[in-house]
Amino acid sequence: GENVEQHPSTLSVQEGDSAVIKCTYSDSASNYFPWYKQELGKRPQLIIDIRSNVGEKKDQRIAVTLNKTAKHFSLHITETQPEDSAVYFCAASPIGGFKTIFGAGTRLFVKA
Amino acid sequence: DSGVTQTPKHLITATGQRVTLRCSPRSGDLSVYWYQQSLDQGLQFLIQYYNGEERAKGNILERFSAQQFPDLHSELNLSSLELGDSALYFCASSVAGTSGFLTDTQYFGPGTRLTVL
Repeated sequence: GENVEQHPSTLSVQEGDSAVIKCTYSDSASNYFPWYKQELGKRPQLIIDIRSNVGEKKDQRIAVTLNKTAKHFSLHITETQPEDSAVYFCAASPIGGFKTIFGAGTRLFVKA
Repeated sequence: DSGVTQTPKHLITATGQRVTLRCSPRSGDLSVYWYQQSLDQGLQFLIQYYNGEERAKGNILERFSAQQFPDLHSELNLSSLELGDSALYFCASSVAGTSGFLTDTQYFGPGTRLTVL
């Protein structure tokens, strides 16, 4: 079946450093790629998304890149802060959008 | 606040029992999704409804069932509960879930924490 692989599963960085989380999807029909941040015990919240007609999108310290040929997309967080510590999920949604597939998540620790 | 509401927030019950979790989507959203998240695990997709009809099924057990009502709220029924069913159950909603480049951003509710003793 279709799946989304996410790496790394855990990432620890020093405050101020950059963090990069990578995802690979298998369904070539995927055209929408959201990223969610989930703090402990809370709901996943959308932080940024990208569509297949765009290669890169940036929102302040967060950016997402998409390589459709390689079926890769990545989340980049610059100047990390302790409040960025959370679990991050990538997802891929195929055309038709009937089943968004989530990656397994990356637990990000930002050390002060 | 995403606009998606879920009740109850917490539920504690015993093995073998049956429970119903309720979700109200954001105003205007036609699709409702259910996810199970066990401790320190990812989001396991269970089922999706679109405008009252089942659209996609994930790893949903036969003991679990769901429906979406004409007013678009949804219920997830869990029966013959086992200890392993203890988890956070999230509902999410989106505008469409249809073809093309329409937004399919899913907005999550606060979740229902189910504890089976």
